[in-house]
Amino acid sequence: GAVVSQHPSWVICKSGTSVKIECRSLDFQATTMFWYRQFPKQSLMLMATSNEGSKATYEQGVEKDKFLINHASLTLSTLTVTSAHPEDSSFYICSAPWGLKSEAFFGQGTRLTVV
Amino acid sequence: GNSVTQMEGPVTLSEEAFLTINCTYTATGYPSLFWYVQYPGEGLQLLLKATKADDKGSNKGFEATYRKETTSFHLEKGSVQVSDSAVYFCALSPPDTGRRALTFGSGTRLQVQP
Repeated sequence: GAVVSQHPSWVICKSGTSVKIECRSLDFQATTMFWYRQFPKQSLMLMATSNEGSKATYEQGVEKDKFLINHASLTLSTLTVTSAHPEDSSFYICSAPWGLKSEAFFGQGTRLTVV
Repeated sequence: GNSVTQMEGPVTLSEEAFLTINCTYTATGYPSLFWYVQYPGEGLQLLLKATKADDKGSNKGFEATYRKETTSFHLEKGSVQVSDSAVYFCALSPPDTGRRALTFGSGTRLQVQP
């Protein structure tokens, strides 16, 4: 089946630095990828839709200048958390839709801790 | 808009007990419905799916039937194991396009005790 690989699986960074998270579709092309954020013991909240070759679409309340998304190829989308703060600490998950019925495959997730 | 409502957890069961996790949805038309499972520290894995009314999705002993009349997609398993301990998410995808993000329920944590 289709596989989505996300890297890194965890990262610790200092406040004020930037962190890049990669999401790759390994055996299929993904013109669209989704980035979610998950707070402890809560559900997944859609942050943005990453579109290959065009600008990402952000959900209401998500700062596009803080969460930079780049979808430069059909198999790679990146999320960069800029000038990270402790409140950005969270679990970030990407997914790519596949098939005709919007089945989605998810990356393994990235646990970001900002200290 | 679309929404998914799941029963609140945690659900604590003994091994070999019967499991039901309720899920109801609100959507126009006929969405596709999914159950995803998340083990500690990991991403989401598709557990099962159903794409039209009366479809039954099944996998690893888990089942869920797409009930249009009650807008429900309850997850069931006849005999749970300790290894089933995880968080379970019900989700839907709208019917009008294949490139929309999923809408998730709040998740239900299942704890199975030996």
